[in-house]
Amino acid sequence: RKEVEQDPGPFNVPEGATVAFNCTYSNSASQSFFWYRQDCRKEPKLLMSVYSSGNEDGRFTAQLNRASQYISLLIRDSKLSDSATYLCVVNADYNFNKFYFGSGTKLNVKP
Amino acid sequence: ETGVTQSPTHLIKTRGQQVTLRCSSQSGHNTVSWYQQALGQGPQFIFQYYREEENGRGNFPPRFSGLQFPNYSSELNVNALELDDSALYLCASSLVGSGGTGELFFGEGSRLTVL
Repeated sequence: RKEVEQDPGPFNVPEGATVAFNCTYSNSASQSFFWYRQDCRKEPKLLMSVYSSGNEDGRFTAQLNRASQYISLLIRDSKLSDSATYLCVVNADYNFNKFYFGSGTKLNVKP
Repeated sequence: ETGVTQSPTHLIKTRGQQVTLRCSSQSGHNTVSWYQQALGQGPQFIFQYYREEENGRGNFPPRFSGLQFPNYSSELNVNALELDDSALYLCASSLVGSGGTGELFFGEGSRLTVL
C-alpha cells in the first residue's frame, strides 16, 4: 500500500468553479501535512501547510481528518492560473524531514 | 526563486554507466534531501543529509549514494545505471531546527535519461 494516495484526475473545471481534492495516508503516526503545487516540467512548490483545525489562505482551504487519515484541499473561484498538479505530502517522522508525496492530482481550469 | 540550484539540468547516459548530480542548497539551510520523480508520479524520497551525514533513506538500493559538504551542498551518485533510473532528480533544501519550519525548497531538477 502506498504511503499517500490521491485521485490522479484530471479534474477539468470551468473558471469560477469550486473544486475539491482528497488524499489518504497510511501511517497514523504522521506528524505534518502539506499541499504542494507542481506546474508542468517545473519543481514542486509549497502551496500550504495543513493543520488539524483546518486553515485557509485566500481561495484555498485545507482540512485534516486524523481519525480517517485524509487531507483535503478546496479551491474556490478557480482561475486559469490554478491549472497544475497538486501533490499531497505527509511527513511521517518527527525527527527528520522524510516526506511522502502522493502521485498528484491534475487540475485543468478552462475558460 | 528558491535559491536551490542543480546541475546538470539534462543529461543522457547509457545502461551501466555512473552519474553524479549536484545541488547547492539555499543559504542558511542545513538539510538536503534528494527525490526521484518518474513521469506521471510524485517525487519519491531517496535520502536526506544533515550535518554531512545520511539521516534517513527511502527504498532505494545502495547504488544510490550521496554526500553533503561543509557548505551544505550535496551530490547524488548513481552507479550501474538501469533504464528505470530515467527520471527527474530533485534536490530540496530545508532548515531543520533553529526555528526552521522544515519546508522543502526544491531546485529545478536534473532530468536523467538512461538509454
